[in-house]
Amino acid sequence: QVQLQESGPGLVKPSQTLTLTCTVSGGSIGGGGYYWGYIRQHPGKGLEWIGFISNGGRTFYNPSLESRVTISVDTSKNDFSLRLTSVTAADTAVYFCVRADMGSATTFDYWGQGTLVTVSS
Amino acid sequence: QSVLTQPPSMSAAPGQKVSISCSGSSSNIGENFVSWYQQVPGKAPKLLIYDNKKRPSGIPDRFSGSKSGTSATLGITGLQTGDEADYYCATWDRSLRAVFGEGTKLTVL
Repeated sequence: QVQLQESGPGLVKPSQTLTLTCTVSGGSIGGGGYYWGYIRQHPGKGLEWIGFISNGGRTFYNPSLESRVTISVDTSKNDFSLRLTSVTAADTAVYFCVRADMGSATTFDYWGQGTLVTVSS
Repeated sequence: QSVLTQPPSMSAAPGQKVSISCSGSSSNIGENFVSWYQQVPGKAPKLLIYDNKKRPSGIPDRFSGSKSGTSATLGITGLQTGDEADYYCATWDRSLRAVFGEGTKLTVL
């Protein structure tokens, strides 16, 4: 059973960089066939796709966030990370890490429990 | 404002059937698979339907999916109080991004 677990600071100051790591257990990122990515949910709102990466390093980002987002993968640690620069209060949200089937890119079959990140001074 | 349109809320009695719609366009639903997610408050979303109509292991056949043209529908039969949740559709868009519907809050009266 694949499990994903987000980790990172719950509070980030405005203009700084948000960094989260998702550790994968029960399966290997290096095995291929999947994208590994992040989705966020603003308080009381719907789901927003941030982006994902293949085990080979190919990335896809939401155009609305692309200038500030980097997703990277570390197959040796079996984890992947999100960097979101120049954050503002509008980036306050619950961040989920996810696995997506490569054949149907919006089949997010495994999710982390989610972590609330608040942007505030 | 989401690319995919869902009704904000729906309600039905236990045992009844409900159909949740998801309307898109030729650049998303019209040429890509649709998936559906169930989210109860405070929890991560759960995959209910993928590739328009397939159910992951463990999802009961009370849940079904269909797609026609630029719209998709999630059907739930034999409603249970445990089905109260937010439901989201999702698909890939020609602009090379995943898009979600705004979500439908289902109340089982």
